[in-house]
Amino acid sequence: EIVLTQSPATLSLSPGERATLSCRASQSVSRYLAWYQQKPGQPPRLLIYDASNRATGIPARFSGSGSGTDFTLTISSLDPEDFAVYYCQQRSNWPPGFGQGTKVEIK
Amino acid sequence: EVQLVESGGGLVQPGRSLRLSCAASGFIFDDYAMHWVRQAPGKGLEWVSGISWNSGSIDYADSVKGRFTISRDNAKNSLYLQMNSLRAEDTALYYCAKGRSYRAYFDYWGQGTLVTVSS
Repeated sequence: EIVLTQSPATLSLSPGERATLSCRASQSVSRYLAWYQQKPGQPPRLLIYDASNRATGIPARFSGSGSGTDFTLTISSLDPEDFAVYYCQQRSNWPPGFGQGTKVEIK
Repeated sequence: EVQLVESGGGLVQPGRSLRLSCAASGFIFDDYAMHWVRQAPGKGLEWVSGISWNSGSIDYADSVKGRFTISRDNAKNSLYLQMNSLRAEDTALYYCAKGRSYRAYFDYWGQGTLVTVSS
């Protein structure tokens, strides 16, 4: 089973700042990694798939990079609506697993 | 517009059963795999089960294998999860999610239905 470890657990930033979230896999997942955003009381929303492809309707300020075991989600300039919890998910080795999440909170 | 609407959750005693349903609309249901993903209160996401478009491939998480059964009715655009021998640790919000393909990512999610297992 592949374990995904996200860091940091919490990121405290101000609107307009750049956010960098990390997801590390216990073994290579190639580029088979996605990122989701979840706001309180809402279901997750797919942001990025296959490491760097934005899902339908996702703003260009969200970008993903990485391959193998190390991945990054970058939000270039935080909008007030971006404060949420972010999860990574791998599909390289089924069943799929999720990271434990990174909370991006307002500083 | 893709819509996934779950139902069937509630309070149930340990050892009892519950059947969840998910009504899908806004896409060609029988073209896509479907999944159940759960989230315990205040916790992260856990994939539970998935079913391919024609029910030819089905997978379960080890935590529910032998107790839960996933199924679908393409004529009714519906997904189901039969949950037997429920345990306290099954308490969670259960999401229905559409798969981009069978063993892939989840591109649309319902609002979830809450299952509480308690005596």
